[in-house]
Order: sequence, then C-alpha cells, then structure tokens
Amino acid sequence: AQSVTQLDSHVSVSEGTPVLLRCNYSSSYSPSLFWYVQHPNKGLQLLLKYTSAATLVKGINGFEAEFKKSETSFHLTKPSAHMNDAAEYFCVVRLTGGGADGLTFGKGTHLIIQP
Amino acid sequence: NAGVTQTPKFRVLKTGQSMTLLCAQDMNHEYMYWYRQDPGMGLRLIHYSVGEGTTAKGEVPDGYNVSRLKKQNFLLGLESAAPSQTSVYFCASKRTGGVDVTGELFFGEGSRLTVL
Repeated sequence: AQSVTQLDSHVSVSEGTPVLLRCNYSSSYSPSLFWYVQHPNKGLQLLLKYTSAATLVKGINGFEAEFKKSETSFHLTKPSAHMNDAAEYFCVVRLTGGGADGLTFGKGTHLIIQP
Repeated sequence: NAGVTQTPKFRVLKTGQSMTLLCAQDMNHEYMYWYRQDPGMGLRLIHYSVGEGTTAKGEVPDGYNVSRLKKQNFLLGLESAAPSQTSVYFCASKRTGGVDVTGELFFGEGSRLTVL
C-alpha cells in the first residue's frame, strides 16, 4: 500500500526567507509525486510533478522539489518566501500504472508568511 | 476559460434532506472525481468516473451516489444528509488515467455543505 506523510501541519517563515515543506512517501512501486497548492477558498492547483524524469523538479512561482529515492522524500522548497505564498500545500503520490485513480493525498501543510 | 465549475458553492441542509452537487468541465476530460476535504484529513476520494456512463467507488463512498450521464457533467447526490457529511466538496477532472504521464488534476473551487 502507498501512503504519504507531510511532516509538518503548519510552517511559519518570514517574508524573504527560504521555505521547506517536507513530504515522505511509502510505495512499493515507482511513484509519481505531485505538490498541489490551495489558496483560501479556492480549489487545488498543480505546483509541480515528478514522473521518473529529472529528480529535481521546477514548478510555478519559484518552487522546486527534489525526489530522493534513498530517503523516500519529495520535499518542496523555495529560496525566498513571498506573502502570496501563504496557502495550504498538499503532497500527493500516485502509483505509476496504478489504475483509474491511484492518488493518495497528504493531510496538508499550512504555510504562514510573516511580514 | 471556465475549466471545472461546481454548483452550488454553499448549501445548508437539515438532517435527512437530499441534494445534488453539479460538476461541469469544459476540457473534454475523460476522468472526473469527487473528493471531500475535512480539517486535518487532506482530500478523500468519494467516487470517480472514467468516462460517460461509468462510475466507481472511492475511499469514502457511503451515503453518496453519483451519475455521469454526459461526459462533461458529474453529479454527486446525498439521499439523506447527515451531520457527518458536513464538509467541503471538490470536483476534479483529468484528461486520462492509468499511465497518463501528466497526472494533473484540474479542480473546481469547492462546494461548502453544512448539515444541521
């Protein structure tokens, strides 16, 4: 069975400082991994995805994530936080070839940006 | 540039009442999904559809029914609402499933349901 763990329910950083949102996964097969962002009262939007190509993945709004198979991690980073990065972030794992819907969502990390 | 549209956006029901949430997508996507989002729980899949006329159960299907009579629409029904169904419901669509390399889901903005 696959699972995904977001290690922090809340992360607070100051504007202009780096952001690190941690995600670990458990999967017996080659996973596809995604980060989605949800701004208040909005639907989820794809931030970036890893699908067995380059292990360092760049996404929108300056975010990137690195797939580390040895650590079963897919942490999300950004060098410098901006106020409009404040949102809920979800790490999602999907089994490659895993049928109609093999998606498992993490419970989310609430990112707070301090001015 | 509508994407995925959910109606209604807000609804308050009394226990035992019924209602239907409508999801419409204009991207000609084959796959459609209904999720519920509860605090600290992430998103949990209720039902999904891999094409017109087909539906399947997800992780938490009890108390819900769905229909996909037209490719662009996916309806979620509550026959007898319960307070435990108070949640935010999200519809999503995807071009294809299985080994689809994009894997990107397109979400609606959510429907907030309160059952008293």
